[in-house]
Amino acid sequence: AQSVTQLGSHVSVSEGALVLLRCNYSSSVPPYLFWYVQYPNQGLQLLLKYTTGATLVKGINGFEAEFKKSETSFHLTKPSAHMSDAAEYFCAVRPASGGYQKVTFGTGTKLQVIP
Amino acid sequence: EAQVTQNPRYLITVTGKKLTVTCSQNMNHEYMSWYRQDPGLGLRQIYYSMNVEVTDKGDVPEGYKVSRKEKRNFPLILESPSPNQTSLYFCASSSLGGGASEQFFGPGTRLTVL
Repeated sequence: AQSVTQLGSHVSVSEGALVLLRCNYSSSVPPYLFWYVQYPNQGLQLLLKYTTGATLVKGINGFEAEFKKSETSFHLTKPSAHMSDAAEYFCAVRPASGGYQKVTFGTGTKLQVIP
Repeated sequence: EAQVTQNPRYLITVTGKKLTVTCSQNMNHEYMSWYRQDPGLGLRQIYYSMNVEVTDKGDVPEGYKVSRKEKRNFPLILESPSPNQTSLYFCASSSLGGGASEQFFGPGTRLTVL
């Protein structure tokens, strides 16, 4: 079984401030981890993913995330928020072996950027 | 252009009237999936398919059917829709890639069941 917890359904930051969106997962097998972004009235698109290797992964639009196995976390960060970052962000987990067909998403975090 | 298309984008219907939401991808992906998105619940997987004629239930399959007769198409069927199926639906596809592949999402179908 697997699950994803995103702390904070809404996060507000000032333009230029650090963005930190939290994601914790539970998985019985090693997981692949993903962050997706959803802009208003659009589908989801991939920001970044962790599969194997380097635990700090860089994605599009200046975002990055660090896989911490000991903390079962995959938090998303960006050093300086931009107005265009306002969107909803979803963390997702997919097993790396066995039943990798099933994908579990978190409940999402809406990011508001204040000018 | 690589894409996942869904039709219709918006649909208002009445309880019990059968409907089909189509999904098509042009990337030759083996894996396709349907999700519903509800406020506060995120995306929940309804059904997925590993390849033609291979489908399996996700977390919320009740009230839905799917079929995969061709690799590119994965329609979602609601045989007797009910108001609790009012939601935003997304189709997605990916290559198999052992689970590491990203999913590509369609633009969504907003369904209202009266």
